[in-house]
Order: sequence, then structure tokens, then C-alpha cells
Amino acid sequence: SSELTQDPAVSVALGQTVRITCQGDSLRNYYASWYQQRPGQAPICVIYGENNRPSGIPDRFSGSRSGNTASLTITGAQADDEADYYCNSRDSSGNHPLRFGGGTKLTVL
Amino acid sequence: QVQLQESGPGLVKPSQTLSLTCTVSGGSISSGGLFWSWVRQHPGKGLEFIGYIFHSGSSFYNPSLRGRVTISVDTSENQFSLKLTSVTAADTAVYYCARVRRVDYDDYGSLYYFDYWGQGTLVTVSS
Repeated sequence: SSELTQDPAVSVALGQTVRITCQGDSLRNYYASWYQQRPGQAPICVIYGENNRPSGIPDRFSGSRSGNTASLTITGAQADDEADYYCNSRDSSGNHPLRFGGGTKLTVL
Repeated sequence: QVQLQESGPGLVKPSQTLSLTCTVSGGSISSGGLFWSWVRQHPGKGLEFIGYIFHSGSSFYNPSLRGRVTISVDTSENQFSLKLTSVTAADTAVYYCARVRRVDYDDYGSLYYFDYWGQGTLVTVSS
């Protein structure tokens, strides 16, 4: 499938570790990027490529990839991390240069 | 610091053309390895890639919108624009402009990621 599939919702206890996943055939050939979007705000990139964090992103955010799955891990989740998270990658079919996953709503309990 | 700012009408009538402009400051739109994109978000929904353009004018679009969408660039004004024709209520969304950076790898295809975003502008399609 050329789509990127994410779990709609994930929850984590404050201070614990959570993994948000993104599945898609294109991820076998292309790295993903990850975006955090808080309510009413524009998205911001938190991870791109193998495991790169833009300036200003806390090191509790990390990325990984295995087969057709990309993962965003938050180690020691904070209340401030409660947001929607989207993955993005290129499309292997060549017809859709970039594609977003459906998004995962992260709740910090 | 790079900043992007969307501008354009917040209300468009059905069947008309939605036109938005994104003004880039703090950096040149002609810089290499950079693309300029539009992304939209329907109310309460996820992000949808619309398309992107290189400063040379080469552009790529979401197939679901191809035929209705055009992205253009004005390097002299450091701006790029979106036109979406024949709009319906289904085009009501927050529209974001964003900068896309390309990263090349030896062992994988190039990565394109959105490193700067505008604040977004709500466009409502209604008569």
C-alpha cells in the first residue's frame, strides 16, 4: 500500500516512554519525518531522517526505522508532549511525491 | 530566522478560485535544496499534502487535486502562491505554507521534510 498508517490514539503515563508508529511500503525505501501539532498551532518537525532532531527539539524525542515501519519514541513523556503526531514520507509509486500519515493523538496521563 | 506568512481571502464562493500567497522572510526562496509547499487541514482532520515547487518552477502535486491546483513562485518578491479552482465546501480548510528541505542519502532515496511552517490561514468555501 502507498498509504502511511498510524494508530489514531495512544496514551502514556507522565514520565514514561511511548512509541508512535507509522507503517507503509514506501518506508522500506525512504526515511520518514515526524511532526508535532498542538491544538490551534501549526505543525513543527520533531524528527527527520534516521534520527535527526531540529534545533530546539528536546532529546527525549528519537526516531527509528525497521522494515516498513518508522517509529517516534518519546522517553520520559511530559505533559507538554500531549499533541497530534504525524509522519510523512515520499511515496514509492511516484505519483504522490509526499504523503502524511493519518496522525496519532497522544494523551499524557 | 526564516518566517513564512500566508495571505489571501478567508472566504471564497463555491465554483470560484481559491488564491493564497506565502511570503518568505529571513531567507531566499531561490536557495538550493529547498522546495516550497502547501499543506491543508480540514477542520478536525489530519494534514494533507497539496504540492510543492522548486524556485526554477518545477512543481509536484497531490494526484487527488491535480487538474485543479497550481503552485507558482515569484523569486523577485520571495513569494509563492497557490491557486485551487472550482472549489466546493470540501475545500474548506486551514491552509499552511511550508518550506521543504531535501536531504540526500547514499543508501536511501532523498528525504524531503518540512522545516518551517506558516501559521496557517482558514479558508471557508461558502456562498
